[in-house]
Amino acid sequence: GAVVSQHPSRVICKSGTSVKIECRSLDFQATTMFWYRQFPKKSLMLMATSNEGSKATYEQGVEKDKFLINHASLTLSTLTVTSAHPEDSSFYICSARTDSNSPLHFGNGTRLTVT
Amino acid sequence: QKEVEQNSGPLSVPEGAIASLNCTYSDRGSQSFFWYRQYSGKSPELIMSIYSNGDKEDGRFTAQLNKASQYVSLLIRDSQPSDSATYLCALWDYKLSFGAGTTVTVRA
Repeated sequence: GAVVSQHPSRVICKSGTSVKIECRSLDFQATTMFWYRQFPKKSLMLMATSNEGSKATYEQGVEKDKFLINHASLTLSTLTVTSAHPEDSSFYICSARTDSNSPLHFGNGTRLTVT
Repeated sequence: QKEVEQNSGPLSVPEGAIASLNCTYSDRGSQSFFWYRQYSGKSPELIMSIYSNGDKEDGRFTAQLNKASQYVSLLIRDSQPSDSATYLCALWDYKLSFGAGTTVTVRA
């Protein structure tokens, strides 16, 4: 079945540093990937839609210069949290569809803690 | 994002009982609906998808869709302690929008 792999699963970084999270589709090509963020006891909120070969589409209120998304190939999208602050601490989850009629499949998520 | 309202619970049911979860949505044009289960600290996993009015059954799970009333529900029959999780209703419209989730606890 479709598998979305996300790395790292957990990261702790100091305030002011940058963190890169990778999302890979392992057995299918994904022209579009989606990045979500989830705070404790809250639902998933879409941050941005990552499009292969073009700029990402960010949701309202998400700073595109802070959350850099690169989708350079059909199997890899990266999210870089730049100049991280404690309030960026959250659970970041990527997802992708195998085709336009399939449901979203989620990666295992990345728990980011900024100290 | 499209508005998806979900009764946030929490919902506590005894083992073997039926757990009933409900979700309403605001966009009458929505066509694709999903139920995801999320265990604490984990990412969501798909349980059911439903696109047409009526019921769809898969094992102990039944999804119900009523487009006229703009609601979608999930029934979990013969609830097991392993069903204890947060259940997320979602709809697709070029992107997936989630409800707030309902936390279900199945008491042994």
